[in-house]
Amino acid sequence: QSGLTQPPSASGTPGQRVAISCSGSGSNLGSNTVTWYQQLPGSAPRILIFDTTQRPSGVPDRFSGSKSGTVASLAISGLQSEDEADYYCAAWDDSLGGHVVFGGGTKLTVL
Amino acid sequence: QVQLRESGPGLVKPSEILSLTCTLSGGSIASHYWAWIRQAPGKGLEWIGYIYYTGSTRYNPSLNNRATISIDRSKKFFSLGLGPMTAADTAVYFCARGSSSGSAYLWGPGAQVFVAS
Repeated sequence: QSGLTQPPSASGTPGQRVAISCSGSGSNLGSNTVTWYQQLPGSAPRILIFDTTQRPSGVPDRFSGSKSGTVASLAISGLQSEDEADYYCAAWDDSLGGHVVFGGGTKLTVL
Repeated sequence: QVQLRESGPGLVKPSEILSLTCTLSGGSIASHYWAWIRQAPGKGLEWIGYIYYTGSTRYNPSLNNRATISIDRSKKFFSLGLGPMTAADTAVYFCARGSSSGSAYLWGPGAQVFVAS
């Protein structure tokens, strides 16, 4: 079963803008919206972006999402030290009766 | 404030069936999807499945029909049955409230489950 593909790591300096990619296929990102999660060490994940571009209340507008075809992206502007975390993308996949697939996660380091 | 909390055994033996419960406090179980997601040590997130409050379910096909999710609307909890368990099922198990598209908006803190004899 194939999931979504993310780079294993990313990095940036405070104040910088970074982007994390998430690549899928026609049955997931090509047909459905993407969700992004942030997971701090030792904590449960927290939703950052849903429906590709929407932020839940409480999520800073420094976080934004986009998608083009089968590739989605999470952008973080004005990088802060507290943004150092693991980031996961997820999407509904229409194959095999329908199920959720996750990316492998990207560890973001703030230098 | 709506909260979720997982409960269950921290240790199960190989070939046994795992039973976990997720209890909801401060909110309604109606009109939402309720999911189970797990994370093996040092690994990423894996979706196990979800149940709508009416009882309809979807599961991760990679689990080969080993998972069962049920819901008790009157008592405001939902449960996961998984088995037979193997060492590869050692993970932190999270319950979550979400949507039909699979987005998980509210998460429990997670329950560590070890599989060992």
